[in-house]
Amino acid sequence: DADVTQTPRNRITKTGKRIMLECSQTKGHDRMYWYRQDPGLGLRLIYYSFDVKDINKGEISDGYSVSRQAQAKFSLSLESAIPNQTALYFCATSDKQGSYNEQFFGPGTRLTVL
Amino acid sequence: GEDVEQSLFLSVREGDSSVINCTYTDSSSTYLYWYKQEPGAGLQLLTYIFSNMDMKQDQRLTVLLNKKDKHLSLRIADTQTGDSAIYFCAETNDYKLSFGAGTTVTVRA
Repeated sequence: DADVTQTPRNRITKTGKRIMLECSQTKGHDRMYWYRQDPGLGLRLIYYSFDVKDINKGEISDGYSVSRQAQAKFSLSLESAIPNQTALYFCATSDKQGSYNEQFFGPGTRLTVL
Repeated sequence: GEDVEQSLFLSVREGDSSVINCTYTDSSSTYLYWYKQEPGAGLQLLTYIFSNMDMKQDQRLTVLLNKKDKHLSLRIADTQTGDSAIYFCAETNDYKLSFGAGTTVTVRA
């Protein structure tokens, strides 16, 4: 079984709709992250959470919100989706080990906003 | 990310060596990483190097780090078709990973 899972894997929605992407992990890690991937831009950090009560904005948080329901679950919401939020979204987890920061990624959710 | 730059495409013949280059700006980076993304999948850590090292070798992979020039490279020896993927360079200073745009490596027969 995969250690980091994301649902749904693909989603097509319309402008203005509210969308939730979910992430679950069985690695027991405290830290969780949401990234979006756009061609030619690499991965950009949307939000990150160091534990259930610690949530922080990343470099591109506008238009997104998150919820850390439990250590194992971190969901990303688009309150009112717009076409330029069409992208591949990745959840990742890591364990604090000093400054070493290997992150483990889910398989991604491909979101298309029409 | 704008702090990490890498070329976007590399085409290599099967059996040849591939060299992917990366430059970064944060001189306080403690670790630098290479991630591999295969089609339809998430990123997986391929290898990493601590900032006080110049070189790291792991089977077919060789990582070279030039801290003075803030230049990182990944060499894949005897490139195989299974090496076709997007390769991301990333740097870290504590919690945050900054990624390059990714280099798409295509292996041709």
